Amino acid sequence: DAGVTQSPTHLIKTRGQQVTLRCSPKSGHDTVSWYQQALGQGPQFIFQYYEEEERQRGNFPDRFSGHQFPNYSSELNVNALLLGDSALYLCASSSRLSSSNEKLFFGSGTQLSVL
Amino acid sequence: GENVGLHLPTLSVQEGDNSIINCAYSNSASDYFIWYKQESGKGPQFIIDIRSNMDKRQGQRVTVLLNKTVKHLSLQIAATQPGDSAVYFCAEKIERGFKTIFGAGTRLFVKA
Repeated sequence: DAGVTQSPTHLIKTRGQQVTLRCSPKSGHDTVSWYQQALGQGPQFIFQYYEEEERQRGNFPDRFSGHQFPNYSSELNVNALLLGDSALYLCASSSRLSSSNEKLFFGSGTQLSVL
Repeated sequence: GENVGLHLPTLSVQEGDNSIINCAYSNSASDYFIWYKQESGKGPQFIIDIRSNMDKRQGQRVTVLLNKTVKHLSLQIAATQPGDSAVYFCAEKIERGFKTIFGAGTRLFVKA
């Protein structure tokens, strides 16, 4: 049973560029949340997707956008990259139908470096 | 930013001793609390959770205590092992809500 998979594992971009990160949820999960984790800090909620819709958004600018596909996989897009966007981007999946739907299953993340 | 607060950023314990990691949360509306463990190069991994109608919950070698009066959460690890070395995050959410809020983390070092 595959867990949450994210790609790529590492990425280097320059300021002003755009980036797309990808996530496949754990088998049987239908909900995907994205988090940004700066070095030495806890994960910060970006947004959550369910039924291909953004359900809730954290305190992130519109440069951060996302998408969920019918197969529940998801993408995170960041436009006009800033140096401060350098971080580990984590995808977490969960299932709204599960009795333990509060529990998040995380991928290993994409380490984004903006130069 | 949004963060569940932690009392200690690092904790060093001797192998075999018990570890206690503390956490303060700020949202009185939160009714579901979780501890996650993050090892180097990996995403956070669920350890144990507790709902607000409980004040204690035990797992395998781990116990979570919740004190709603002072909005305090703790994780106790019995007989700490080298494999327990990691960063531990407490997290909170409103049950059936969408957002889980994470604290800043405590790094646990286990000395052999």
